[in-house]
Amino acid sequence: GAVVSQHPSRVICKSGTSVKIECRSLDFQATTMFWYRQFPKQSLMLMATSNEGSKATYEQGVEKDKFLINHASLTLSTLTVTSAHPEDSSFYICSARDPGTESYEQYFGPGTRLTVT
Amino acid sequence: EDQVTQSPEALRLQEGESSSLNCSYTVSGLRGLFWYRQDPGKGPEFLFTLYSAGEEKEKERLKATLTKKESFLHITAPKPEDSATYLCAVRPGTYKYIFGTGTRLKVLA
Repeated sequence: GAVVSQHPSRVICKSGTSVKIECRSLDFQATTMFWYRQFPKQSLMLMATSNEGSKATYEQGVEKDKFLINHASLTLSTLTVTSAHPEDSSFYICSARDPGTESYEQYFGPGTRLTVT
Repeated sequence: EDQVTQSPEALRLQEGESSSLNCSYTVSGLRGLFWYRQDPGKGPEFLFTLYSAGEEKEKERLKATLTKKESFLHITAPKPEDSATYLCAVRPGTYKYIFGTGTRLKVLA
């Protein structure tokens, strides 16, 4: 199956600072990537859909100015959490679909654990 | 409103004790139902895609089935390494998924 990586796997930052998380598709080109967040023992909540070369589509209730998404190439999408606060601490996961296949399964990265102190 | 419900929330099985996990859904036009396995602190790992009622997929000790209202993930003779959270997601017509809350499975040796 398709491989998606994320970096970093863990990050600790101070309140008020910004953090960038990278999501890469390693063996395919992804025109669309997805960003999720997951709280402990809860399911994945879609934050936004990242489209290569265009603006991201955010889900209702997600602050666009706080969670900046850039999909500048067919293999890389980034999520920047701006002016992070402790309530932004969470597990952030990206996924991508291989457009070279006719199936619609998404392949997920290993996730990034963000802790804001 | 599109919705996915998984049951039970948690399940403890003895090694070798077969069981089934349920995923019930209400969507306006199903374009795919997906099963994933998620280990603690990791991203979900793809297991199966089902597209139409009556479809079945198998992989080792796992078998997924689909009806018009629900899907089952059958686990036959589970082993401790099958312990994980199993997530169900539906695709109602766009590229977006709607996830259920998952079933946390613990298989005891």
